Amino acid sequence: NAGVTQTPKFRVLKTGQSMTLLCAQDMNHEYMYWYRQDPGMGLRLIHYSVGEGTTAKGEVPDGYNVSRLKKQNFLLGLESAAPSQTSVYFCASNTPTGKVSYNEQFFGPGTRLTVL
Amino acid sequence: KQEVTQIPAALSVPEGENLVLNCSFTDSAIYNLQWFRQDPGKGLTSLLLIQSSQREQTSGRLNASLDKSSGRSTLYIAASQPGDSATYLCAVWITSGTYKYIFGTGTRLKVLA
Repeated sequence: NAGVTQTPKFRVLKTGQSMTLLCAQDMNHEYMYWYRQDPGMGLRLIHYSVGEGTTAKGEVPDGYNVSRLKKQNFLLGLESAAPSQTSVYFCASNTPTGKVSYNEQFFGPGTRLTVL
Repeated sequence: KQEVTQIPAALSVPEGENLVLNCSFTDSAIYNLQWFRQDPGKGLTSLLLIQSSQREQTSGRLNASLDKSSGRSTLYIAASQPGDSATYLCAVWITSGTYKYIFGTGTRLKVLA
């Protein structure tokens, strides 16, 4: 199992450019998440999905869009990048089972994005 | 609203010392609590998952405890090593159907050789 993978690992954009970050998981997890991590701010949830075809807003959704067309993939889009979106982006997944207690979350290695 | 706090924000200890990292949460209605480790420039690695019905979990030199009634969890690291240097985060999954983990801001640990 590869676990949670993210593409690309690094990217530099100019203000106004667009891009899509791809997250893939091979653990058949129902729930997937996109976070951003900034110095001194901790992890902040951007968007999440509780199943194929569903998405929901997290704490900081503005400027981002997401899609979950396939259960194993969760895409994060930046339509018009801004310097404030310079950050490290992490994808994560988990599956609450019938016993929610066994709900371990797994993270990808991250994408480091710089917007000039 | 559930809030998760980790104190201290940073900690330096000499190699070999036993240490305790703290995690506090304001709402005791949780399903489970997870401890993570994050190395610089890397993603989060799951260390231990404690279910709401459990009091503690152990993995190697790590032991995590959970006291729901007081809203506290501790991560105990025995015989610390320089390789333990990292940021440690805790996260709770609450029972109110929020479909997400709530994270603390982490404790940055440095173990000095």
